Amino acid sequence: QITLTQQAESLWISPGERVSITCRASQSLLYTDGKHYLSWYQQRPGQTTKALIYHASVRTDGVPTRFIGSGSGTEFTLSIEHVQPEDFAIYYCLQTLKSPWTFGGGTKLELK
Amino acid sequence: QVQLKESGPGLVQPSQTLSLTCTVSGFSLTSNSVHWVRQPPGKGLEWMGGIWGDGSTDYNSALKSRLSISRDTSKSQVFLKMNSLQTDDTAIYFCTRSLGYYDGYYHVSYVMDAWGQGASVTVSS
Repeated sequence: QITLTQQAESLWISPGERVSITCRASQSLLYTDGKHYLSWYQQRPGQTTKALIYHASVRTDGVPTRFIGSGSGTEFTLSIEHVQPEDFAIYYCLQTLKSPWTFGGGTKLELK
Repeated sequence: QVQLKESGPGLVQPSQTLSLTCTVSGFSLTSNSVHWVRQPPGKGLEWMGGIWGDGSTDYNSALKSRLSISRDTSKSQVFLKMNSLQTDDTAIYFCTRSLGYYDGYYHVSYVMDAWGQGASVTVSS
């Protein structure tokens, strides 16, 4: 199965800063259609899990432009510019290229 | 408005079978796929399996021998059944809608765009 590694379990940042969360896959997530099957999700207490990014870089409807997905092949990054108080949450990457779909271990953004 | 809501028993005895229902609204089960994801307390997410719009299913190989996913399109419900439960099956169980397409060979999914609030399940005697 494809393993996704999110190196940082926690990142401590201050509001207004920029932060990058990385996700490394054990094999390329590029499909024959030319798209990467890597998506990003946000979990906040008391809220439903929210999809932020799909195909590595496409924001889902309504996601603020400060959330930026990038990367290709096996290396992917979720960047948040000018972090807002509501962005302190846990972020997961997910690959849906091959079954079983697998999530990264999660990265928690914490207030410095 | 797309919505998913999980329901089921909060407590299951070891070795027993878990049965959960996901009731959806705002979309059709025949043209969308629904998947189950679980999260043990304080841990990360695990994809369990799903049912595609054409009714075919896909399971996580780690759970396949214990897991069954089915649906009733007339009631807009998707069902999860997992047998031989153990304490490490204690988790929050989420159902999600996944967007994708069939490319003639595979069901291709690119995002789980809607999630339920989750159903907390404790396995204990």
